[in-house]
Amino acid sequence: AQSVTQLDSQVPVFEEAPVELRCNYSSSVSVYLFWYVQYPNQGLQLLLKYLSGSTLVKGINGFEAEFNKSQTSFHLRKPSVHISDTAEYFCAVSGDAGNMLTFGGGTRLMVKP
Amino acid sequence: GAVVSQHPSWVICKSGTSVKIECRSLDFQATTMFWYRQFPKQSLMLMATSNEGSKATYEQGVEKDKFLINHASLTLSTLTVTSAHPEDSSFYICSARESIGIRGSPLHFGNGTRLTVT
Repeated sequence: AQSVTQLDSQVPVFEEAPVELRCNYSSSVSVYLFWYVQYPNQGLQLLLKYLSGSTLVKGINGFEAEFNKSQTSFHLRKPSVHISDTAEYFCAVSGDAGNMLTFGGGTRLMVKP
Repeated sequence: GAVVSQHPSWVICKSGTSVKIECRSLDFQATTMFWYRQFPKQSLMLMATSNEGSKATYEQGVEKDKFLINHASLTLSTLTVTSAHPEDSSFYICSARESIGIRGSPLHFGNGTRLTVT
């Protein structure tokens, strides 16, 4: 069984400041990790994914995440946020070829001017 | 990139009626699609896995007779909420994986359907 914990339900930050959204997971098997973004009344858009290889993964919109196996974490970061980054962010894990995703509870990023 | 189209985006219906939601993969084939439900300010909960040409697999606690899923082709899955009640009001999202069998291949999501039952 897998689970994903996003420790912060809301993260307020000022525009152009750096941000880190935390994600921890638990799994008994090797995992594949994802970050998705959801804008109001829309579906989910893939930001980035970790499958294997380099633990630092770069995604769209200037986001990046680092896979840390020893800490079972996959935190999302951006060095300078914009107002348009205000959205809900979901961390997800997939651990098998059955293609299912387990989502964290989500973190609402609120970027203030 | 892979696109998943979901229709309608918003529907309001009266209690007791049925509503059908369509999920289409526009530029790829999807033997498996997933249906999620999302309550306000909450995460996505997997309802069922839709398999082309066979019965859907429902998650525990999801009523299969209430949420009918049909995956008639490699590009279309439908979710029918039968005899809808106000508690069925929610945001329903479908997703599909572009390359089945390739582990870690990401899911592509539709834009969701907001169902309001009055």
